[in-house]
Amino acid sequence: GAGVSQSPRYKVTKRGQDVALRCDPISGHVSLYWYRQALGQGPEFLTYFNYEAQQDKSGLPNDRFSAERPEGSISTLTIQRTEQRDSAMYRCASSSRTGGGTEAFFGQGTRLTVV
Amino acid sequence: EDQVTQSPEALRLQEGESSSLNCSYTVSGLRGLFWYRQDPGKGPEFLFTLYSAGEEKEKERLKATLTKKESFLHITAPKPEDSATYLCAVLGGETSGSRLTFGEGTQLTVNP
Repeated sequence: GAGVSQSPRYKVTKRGQDVALRCDPISGHVSLYWYRQALGQGPEFLTYFNYEAQQDKSGLPNDRFSAERPEGSISTLTIQRTEQRDSAMYRCASSSRTGGGTEAFFGQGTRLTVV
Repeated sequence: EDQVTQSPEALRLQEGESSSLNCSYTVSGLRGLFWYRQDPGKGPEFLFTLYSAGEEKEKERLKATLTKKESFLHITAPKPEDSATYLCAVLGGETSGSRLTFGEGTQLTVNP
């Protein structure tokens, strides 16, 4: 596609429910990142994929958060047993090279609200 | 742990009034410093990557510079359409893996 596509754009869920956020990166991009951004702050790293391999998940807050990219393209970030503190904008980014040293292109994000 | 501090938090300029935004960083082994622009409701949009002290990059009214401790984003004769939040991020040493560490941004408003 022309850019990084994320769905849904908005998600409201009840506390305790599981949610799955989808990211469709730019075609051919090998690196995929998930970030979380609070209002008025910069993005905070969650996890990184090189093709289908999850090479860094050190930013995931706890074991309720997981991510996968099974075929090296589309990625899903799953949050189990959601809590109100999980409410944030979740952003996906992709880049054409590995290692993080090139520009990453960000999607418009998924605004998650846990009520 | 990599750290990025941006200043000021907010900046108001008149159209044509040049200024600079600051990004101070602490990393063990800088592999890249990135500037992004973010408009309300949008994802960050890439502007520049700088790799070593002394490097400069320009794009239209923007020029980014880098020293061993900080980066500046100079805005020359800004226009209202330059209004946005400008984010700085660093890619630290090998122990940082591929994570970018972002600052909190500078919210720039350019009044006509």
